[in-house]
Amino acid sequence: KAGVTQTPRYLIKTRGQQVTLSCSPISGHRSVSWYQQTPGQGLQFLFEYFSETQRNKGNFPGRFSGRQFSNSRSEMNVSTLELGDSALYLCASSFDRANNEKLFFGSGTQLSVL
Amino acid sequence: AQTVTQSQPEMSVQEAETVTLSCTYDTSESNYYLFWYKQPPSRQMILVIRQEAYKQQNATENRFSVNFQKAAKSFSLKISDSQLGDTAMYFCALSDGSSNTGKLIFGQGTTLQVKP
Repeated sequence: KAGVTQTPRYLIKTRGQQVTLSCSPISGHRSVSWYQQTPGQGLQFLFEYFSETQRNKGNFPGRFSGRQFSNSRSEMNVSTLELGDSALYLCASSFDRANNEKLFFGSGTQLSVL
Repeated sequence: AQTVTQSQPEMSVQEAETVTLSCTYDTSESNYYLFWYKQPPSRQMILVIRQEAYKQQNATENRFSVNFQKAAKSFSLKISDSQLGDTAMYFCALSDGSSNTGKLIFGQGTTLQVKP
């Protein structure tokens, strides 16, 4: 069974640009969560999607958005990039209730903003 | 607010020895779950072990076990017979079991190096 796939693995952007990251969950998983990982702030929850609906959102500005498609694949978008958005963005999937189910993580997308 | 604290930024252990990673947490919920995740250099987070708060018995997974002290809000991870492949960053995480969301609160992590 294929794991969680995140594309691209690495991304370099400049300030002011926008970026879209993609996450394909494990087949059959309906919940997708996104996390931002930085050396200073650690791992922070961005949002979670289930059946194309956003169920929860972390404390991030409106520049961070996401969506989920009918096949459970998810994308997150960051507009008007800032230097502080440089981070590893991790996606995780689970079958249903992500908080107590086992989460399966992808290898992340490393975003560098110059 | 829920918080998770890992007070050991870095630790090292000799191969085949035992090491314990500390974690304390704070939550007002009565029903919650605690996790330890491992992040090797490949960056992929891997679930090591999970503990349900209402279960008094400590969870074990092969060489990995936890010491769950609910009253003290402590959740430490013991790795027995350490192997070179255990070298990674370890994160303690807390979820709110009563809510239907996917939010985990992570600690800052402990970098563990296993020395040959």
